Amino acid sequence: GAGVSQSPRYKVAKRGQDVALRCDPISGHVSLFWYQQALGQGPEFLTYFQNEAQLDKSGLPSDRFFAERPEGSVSTLKIQRTQQEDSAVYLCASSFILTSGTDTQYFGPGTRLTVL
Amino acid sequence: DQQVKQNSPSLSVQEGRISILNCDYTNSMFDYFLWYKKYPAEGPTFLISISSIKDKNEDGRFTVFLNKSAKHLSLHIVPSQPGDSAVYFCAASVYGGSNYKLTFGKGTLLTVNP
Repeated sequence: GAGVSQSPRYKVAKRGQDVALRCDPISGHVSLFWYQQALGQGPEFLTYFQNEAQLDKSGLPSDRFFAERPEGSVSTLKIQRTQQEDSAVYLCASSFILTSGTDTQYFGPGTRLTVL
Repeated sequence: DQQVKQNSPSLSVQEGRISILNCDYTNSMFDYFLWYKKYPAEGPTFLISISSIKDKNEDGRFTVFLNKSAKHLSLHIVPSQPGDSAVYFCAASVYGGSNYKLTFGKGTLLTVNP
């Protein structure tokens, strides 16, 4: 498809389990973002990649959260020892290149994570 | 500390009338603003944007107004259509910042009644 895809769309985890969420950005897009959207809130920035380089991870809430994009395309967000407060929709966005600051971020449908 | 605020959680309008969605921001470093639209079970979709060097940007039925002195922007939809019913997010970024991350408001649920 032409858009950003994410898998799985839904994930239920028991507290303490590790989870891995995948993002396939639009082909050729240099920049990739992860956002977390809690119920009733707007998306909140987690981390940013330019190609394979993770340039900003200031939004990751704890060291249980880890993201990678080893070949500059597909990205994985990993959450270790999940807690109930990790329950949220995790959104991935990509954009072609950020030289002007006006490049549109295209979002995937998100992965809804529920931690029991 | 909410840097982008959408104080109306919901708005209901009649088809054909104008919808006005409001957004306030507190961070004076923000100089690029966007509106995203979100349907249930889908990701946000870009709608329209405005740079701080402008005070108005128009795209078809959608117009965004920016009042920098008041740190306020609004989205006007004229005429409103039932298909416009969705959650609208206001977002802001720092032009020329290191990564252009977006800071979002909490969203406003717009319902357009036939």
